[in-house]
This record gives sequence, C-alpha cells and structure tokens, in this order.
Amino acid sequence: EAGVVQSPRYKIIEKKQPVAFWCNPISGHNTLYWYRQNLGQGPELLIRYENEEAVDDSQLPKDRFSAERLKGVDSTLKIQPAELGDSAVYLCASSLGPFGGRSYNEQFFGPGTRLTVL
Amino acid sequence: DAKTTQPPSMDCAEGRAANLPCNHSTISGNEYVYWYRQIHSQGPQYIIHGLKNNETNEMASLIITEDRKSSTLILPHATLRDTAVYYCIVRVVVYGGSQGNLIFGKGTKLSVKP
Repeated sequence: EAGVVQSPRYKIIEKKQPVAFWCNPISGHNTLYWYRQNLGQGPELLIRYENEEAVDDSQLPKDRFSAERLKGVDSTLKIQPAELGDSAVYLCASSLGPFGGRSYNEQFFGPGTRLTVL
Repeated sequence: DAKTTQPPSMDCAEGRAANLPCNHSTISGNEYVYWYRQIHSQGPQYIIHGLKNNETNEMASLIITEDRKSSTLILPHATLRDTAVYYCIVRVVVYGGSQGNLIFGKGTKLSVKP
C-alpha cells in the first residue's frame, strides 16, 4: 500500500516568490494534516482537514499561507509571497479519521518537502 | 506547548535495550501517552501509545508509572536503524477538536552505536 506522497521533495526559491506543495494522502484517509518543521524542532500543525473542510487552521499564517483540499483527497499548501523565515520542512500526514480509538488516531506522515528561501 | 519533558540526547549500544524516559507530570486522566519517532529525512512514524497499562507491540514496549506522571519507551534490541529522534506526546483522544492534535516537543535524539 502506498504511503503519503508529497512533492516536490526539495524546493529552493528567492524570497517574495510563490511556492506550492502537494500532498496525496493514503487512500481512504479522511483526515489530512499539514505541519511545518523548523530545524531542530518538532513538527507544528498548520491546518487539519476533515474531508474537504478545514476544521482547524488556527496556526496557519493566513496573510501569506493558503491551503485547499477541493475533492477531499489530495491537498495543496501555498505560500505567497515566501519570506526567509519560511525555510523549513513541510510535512503532510493523514489518518482514517479523528475518532477515538486505537487505529483511527494513528497519523501517517509523508517524507516532507524541504523549502529553502534565499 | 509540549506537555512532556525528555532528555535531548541518548546513546545506546547496538543489540542492547534502549530505554527512553519521558516526564508528563501534568497529564490528565483522559490523556494518552503517544510515542513517535523520526528518522533523518523522513516524516515521523507512530510507534505505540497507552493510557495506564503497559503496552507492547512489534516495535517497542511502553511502561507507564502507576501515577502516570512518567513513562519509558523500551526498544528491546536496538539496531543502527533505530537511530532517530523520539517524541513523547500526551494527547486527548476525542472526536474532532484541537485537543486531540499532536503537539511535538524537541524529542530525544537516540544514537545507536556499533
């Protein structure tokens, strides 16, 4: 079974340029997450989707970040314009759902996209 | 903020047991202890979780103290491939809501040496 797929794996851009990251979750997973991970830190949640609805975007910097999951499957995270401080690894994760229980709460992570802003 | 405290780094000899401690002195009755690990250049990987009983799976064992204020993740026979950052997380298991979100700290960097 394929895991969470992310592309690109690496991206280098100049500051003020736009950038987009794509994520395809595990088939059948209704919940999708985007995280940002700064060097030496743990991942921080940016946004969580239940199907196509963004149910928790409280940590998403909405002035420059946007995300969409139009058909409730794959998702795109965009930054426009990028700043030097946006350099980080952007991780996507998915889970069957948000329900309590042993399996539903296991999040499966993709390999991430490493963004470097020059 | 993370609700757990972990040592920043640990070493372990290959083939020996790796015991990774975690303090969570403010844990609530409805919060579980979760462990994830992150191998270099990969996303985090779920290992195990528990509420109050000790748990074991094919990857590891989780020992939770009776007062639930601390726990230990045990890798019984560490290999070089177990070198990673290990995250201990406490979270509420609820339907929806932000309380169930995973909040990662800095974790423990485990280095398994030959």
